[in-house]
Amino acid sequence: DGGITQSPKYLFRKEGQNVTLSCEQNLNHDAMYWYRQDPGQGLRLIYYSQIVNDFQKGDIAEGYSVSREKKESFPLTVTSAQKNPTAFYLCASRQGGAEAFFGQGTRLTVV
Amino acid sequence: GEDVEQSLFLSVREGDSSVINCTYTDSSSTYLYWYKQEPGAGLQLLTYIFSNMDMKQDQRLTVLLNKKDKHLSLRIADTQTGDSAIYFCAENSGYNKLIFGAGTRLAVHP
Repeated sequence: DGGITQSPKYLFRKEGQNVTLSCEQNLNHDAMYWYRQDPGQGLRLIYYSQIVNDFQKGDIAEGYSVSREKKESFPLTVTSAQKNPTAFYLCASRQGGAEAFFGQGTRLTVV
Repeated sequence: GEDVEQSLFLSVREGDSSVINCTYTDSSSTYLYWYKQEPGAGLQLLTYIFSNMDMKQDQRLTVLLNKKDKHLSLRIADTQTGDSAIYFCAENSGYNKLIFGAGTRLAVHP
């Protein structure tokens, strides 16, 4: 089935560690997005990519990094520079201005 | 910069209509969207409207767009308990950025 898959569903990080969240889509979409969701603040854009090997910072890119080496994959690394990483992370993909398809999310907790 | 604003909570009685409002700032947005989020899950598209339209109806859903005031609304007729969720307004901004509001939590009570 076509879709967008995020893994893992739950992730725990120790202080000072980098962690990478996976996002894979088989919808042949050019654009992919990463959002962070905190209670009462909705979705805030971290990074987005319109095409392979190209990406742009969103509104809250500090402490995060991404890569887009393949069309179907857009991993997000939460670095130790991100001081408050505990949140729900959502990945999305879409083609042009059409509907964005979302993954089921990864809940990251710092322990 | 781009910004989308929504009220955070709405409570309605089952069977009544719900109206969720949204304002946006980017007048060049070509599409405006309404998404629904169930607890602990991703977002699903409910409906969208092109910026050259004033209204769109899809079964129980009616979207109204006032482009002059940059105001978007979603009306859900005959609201059911299964409609309880968070509803997000989103705009398609420059360079294909997709900007979301904070979400409106809809609670439906008997």
